[in-house]
Formats: sequence, C-alpha cells, structure tokens
Amino acid sequence: GENVGLHLPTLSVQEGDNSIINCAYSNSASDYFIWYKQESGKGPQFIIDIRSNMDKRQGQRVTVLLNKTVKHLSLQIAATQPGDSAVYFCAENSSEGAGGTSYGKLTFGQGTILTVHP
Amino acid sequence: ETGVTQSPTHLIKTRGQQVTLRCSSQSGHNTVSWYQQALGQGPQFIFQYYREEENGRGNFPPRFSGLQFPNYSSELNVNALELDDSALYLCASSRSTGFNEQYFGPGTRLTVT
Repeated sequence: GENVGLHLPTLSVQEGDNSIINCAYSNSASDYFIWYKQESGKGPQFIIDIRSNMDKRQGQRVTVLLNKTVKHLSLQIAATQPGDSAVYFCAENSSEGAGGTSYGKLTFGQGTILTVHP
Repeated sequence: ETGVTQSPTHLIKTRGQQVTLRCSSQSGHNTVSWYQQALGQGPQFIFQYYREEENGRGNFPPRFSGLQFPNYSSELNVNALELDDSALYLCASSRSTGFNEQYFGPGTRLTVT
C-alpha cells in the first residue's frame, strides 16, 4: 500500500512555546474524538477527549477544539516541554453495529511528530 | 501507565507460521479491542471482544481471530503469517462497548521473516 506513514507531518517548537496540532477527520457520523500521545516503543496514551456536542474542552495544559462544519480537530499544548515530544494521533470513535450491541471503533489519523527543543 | 498488559513484548516468526498474542485488560474493563500498527502509521482496528464474543471487526481477513476469557483477558491469533503482518499489535481495554475511553497496552512487536 501507499507509505503515507513515512511522511508524517512534523512540528518543531522551542520549549515554552505553545503547540497546535491539527487533524482532519472523515466520518461526519463520528461523535466522539480522542487525542493520543505515542512515545517511541510505547502504546498510545490518552490525552483528552471531546464529544460532538461540544466545540472546546480543556485539560491540564491541553485544549481540544472541534469544528464539525469542516470536520477538523486541533490539540493545543501550552508551554510545551521536552517531555511532550512524541507522535500525536487524533482518533474518531464511531459506534457501529445494527441491533444487538454496538461497538466503538477507533479510526486513527495519520499522526504528527512533535519535537520540542530545549 | 495504564493497567493493560500484553505479552510477549517482542516476537519473531517465519512466514506461514501461527502466532498467539495475549492481553490482560485494566481492572473494571470488560471490553477489549485489538489494533495493528504498521511502522510510521496510526493503529488500525482489527476487532473488539465483549462478553467473550467478537462484537465488531475491521477490514482484516479471517486468519486473524481472537478469544476473550471470563476474566476479560484476550488473545489475538494470526494464522498463515505473511511478511506484511509485521507490526506492533496493540490491545486496548474499555469499560464497555461504544463511546468509552480506550486504554492501550504497550503492544507486542511482531516480526515475520
């Protein structure tokens, strides 16, 4: 298949700067969105989530913005630190299944490599 | 660190062989999902297990199968391994199906030669 993963978007910032990572999602029926951080050799780590009835949610040093009109999601990291260096993925959760029990399926975006320079 | 554990950490297999990967879910979580993450890409959904049954499946062939046990732990089995099966296999657990935070384990790195 196409090796789009070998050309991940990258963002380089200085320690203390604010970072903004963007993501476009595809399924207009998705109504739950999550940002994950993945460090080398580790599994994705939950950062923050947002449901589609909201357009903004804040956590500790992080803010997620959701624009359903253009199907766009962003993650803002305040006062970025070297420990924030990682690959960041957005994921949309679509609940699928007819009748019976629905299931939540995460569809991940491409990922963005964030590098924070001391 | 989540409470999700996976074993083994790394595994090397030969094309055509079969492999079993294991996952223990976080305490209180009854749903387990499996993902395949190729190098440099985002994880792709394989399937989800709830109440010991497959509850949903992504675009993976039948040679990818799984089990869930009464204690909610799970196995991923892959038969007739192909070179393209080389990837990081991630297990995620959640409190239930549908819209819930999924907590990921560290993954099993599978290399098929």
